[in-house]
Amino acid sequence: GENVEQHPSTLSVQEGDSAVIKCTYSDSASNYFPWYKQELGKRPQLIIDIRSNVGEKKDQRIAVTLNKTAKHFSLHITETQPEDSAVYFCAATSYPNAGGTSYGKLTFGQGTILTVHP
Amino acid sequence: DGGITQSPKYLFRKEGQNVTLSCEQNLNHDAMYWYRQDPGQGLRLIYYSQIVNDFQKGDIAEGYSVSREKKESFPLTVTSAQKNPTAFYLCASSPRPDPETQYFGPGTRLLVL
Repeated sequence: GENVEQHPSTLSVQEGDSAVIKCTYSDSASNYFPWYKQELGKRPQLIIDIRSNVGEKKDQRIAVTLNKTAKHFSLHITETQPEDSAVYFCAATSYPNAGGTSYGKLTFGQGTILTVHP
Repeated sequence: DGGITQSPKYLFRKEGQNVTLSCEQNLNHDAMYWYRQDPGQGLRLIYYSQIVNDFQKGDIAEGYSVSREKKESFPLTVTSAQKNPTAFYLCASSPRPDPETQYFGPGTRLLVL
């Protein structure tokens, strides 16, 4: 099955610095890669996503890059602010029945705790 | 994601007891999912359903059961066979069966007495 590895597990930056979180995946059929932000005790919320036909996507201070050949994708946050502090999860689609008619599912990384110091 | 509700917010289970977590959505989404989150860990898929009256096991289905009798509802039962049920349970839905943006409910925290 799909295996999604996420690094680093914790990341500490100063306000205004950039933060980068990286994920690798194993299923070459994966075609959708979302990133979620989860504040303490709250539900995960989608912050950006990318599909396999695109190499990069940007939304204000957040960007995601995808390298399908190397099977990795990254989240980039520029000009970090204290309110960016949260746990960030990457995910990738996987298809349990290769070549079959089963719809796919998302497999999540282990999460990165981002702390932005004022 | 405001259209997905979970209840209760906190649930206490006694040993040997089955408990049911509720998940309802009014977004007219086809697919619904149940995840388990343990402290410091990612989301692990328990069960998912892409259409009414059909569901598939996820990665950690043992000790859990689900039903999907209505499009809006996808309840999860934690059975007595689940020996370590303490966790944060998240329900999610997406508009279509193929993986795409999933919208999460507020979660239910299950504790064992």
